[in-house]
Amino acid sequence: NAGVTQTPKFHILKIGQSMTLQCTQDMNHNYMYWYRQDPGMGLKLIYYSVGAGITDKGEVPNGYNVSRSTTEDFPLRLELAAPSQTSVYFCASSYDDSGANVLTFGAGSRLTVL
Amino acid sequence: AQSVTQPDIHITVSEGASLELRCNYSYGATPYLFWYVQSPGQGLQLLLKYFSGDTLVQGIKGFEAEFKRSQSSFNLRKPSVHWSDAAEYFCAVGHASGGSYIPTFGRGTSLIVHP
Repeated sequence: NAGVTQTPKFHILKIGQSMTLQCTQDMNHNYMYWYRQDPGMGLKLIYYSVGAGITDKGEVPNGYNVSRSTTEDFPLRLELAAPSQTSVYFCASSYDDSGANVLTFGAGSRLTVL
Repeated sequence: AQSVTQPDIHITVSEGASLELRCNYSYGATPYLFWYVQSPGQGLQLLLKYFSGDTLVQGIKGFEAEFKRSQSSFNLRKPSVHWSDAAEYFCAVGHASGGSYIPTFGRGTSLIVHP
């Protein structure tokens, strides 16, 4: 069972470029999330999805877009990359059991914007 | 809005010593509380969780945590630390948003273990 798979693991972008971080899960989880992790700042929620075709903003959505066309995939799009988007990005998924979400995380994607 | 405070950015302990990592939360109702661990270069993994019932919960790798409503705390403990416990530890609180519970994470505590 692969769990949550993120690609790429590392990437360097130039300012103004765009890219998509891929996330796929094989656990048939309804909920998927994108977090960013900055040193000493913990995890900040960017976007989340409660099912295919449904997405919503988290705490720090500016500069990002998402889509959820299938249960398995939840890509994160960075448009016009800025140095402030240099971070480690984590995708996670969960199966909402009685409202108590235990998240399964991917290994992360480290993105540098220069 | 709910929040989670982990007051210690770094904790250093000697191998074999006991450990307590602090977590305080702010939430209007009974929270769902979690501790996750992040090993270097890895994603987060659930250590333990509290939803209701017994306020002392046991987790993986010999960790336990105690929910204290009066102190709004959910501190993580381990009686004897191993070198492999060196990692980043995150406390999280679950909250309701549109019918789903989405955890809010603390900033993390980095555990350093000296031999």
